[in-house]
Amino acid sequence: EPEVTQTPSHQVTQMGQEVILRCVPISNHLYFYWYRQILGQKVEFLVSFYNNEISEKSEIFDDQFSVERPDGSNFTLKIRSTKLEDSAMYFCASSEKAGGLGEQFFGPGTRLTVL
Amino acid sequence: DQQVKQNSPSLSVQEGRISILNCDYTNSMFDYFLWYKKYPAEGPTFLISISSIKDKNEDGRFTVFLNKSAKHLSLHIVPSQPGDSAVYFCAATNTGRRALTFGSGTRLQVQP
Repeated sequence: EPEVTQTPSHQVTQMGQEVILRCVPISNHLYFYWYRQILGQKVEFLVSFYNNEISEKSEIFDDQFSVERPDGSNFTLKIRSTKLEDSAMYFCASSEKAGGLGEQFFGPGTRLTVL
Repeated sequence: DQQVKQNSPSLSVQEGRISILNCDYTNSMFDYFLWYKKYPAEGPTFLISISSIKDKNEDGRFTVFLNKSAKHLSLHIVPSQPGDSAVYFCAATNTGRRALTFGSGTRLQVQP
């Protein structure tokens, strides 16, 4: 069964450093998403991406964040200068259709720890 | 952000019995609802969804009920199995958006 994969599974970084989290969505999916879950809190939407551009983003997704689909298979989330409060599980998801028309399939997550 | 609420942080049921997980929402723009299951150290796994044009959707042991007037949905699992033990998240969106808004989750424990 096709699945979303994410690397690395755990990333430890120093405050102020840049990190890139990587995802390989399901191959025939067109819509890509990043979510995060701070420990003990809800899963929160960050950004959605379609047709090589951001289609929606939340208030969390400020100028420190960026997304890219550098080739036909990878989808990345970059945090330019990490803060302590960026420590969280980051989930990538993909769907065949947009929003309410297509179920989003999630990857296993990357645990980001900012020291 | 309290647009989607799961007021029961945990639920324990006996194997073979029915599990009922509840979810309330406040945003009347939501028209599509999903349930996800999450095991530790894994991402959420899609279970079942329902559009606001329906009031019930069934898939095997899982049934989701939607009461639009009460802005309430519930997930019924019958019969419950020990492998169902996980955290269950309710999520909502509308057809014009991409983002899912999640509830805080309910931890289901199915006792053998």
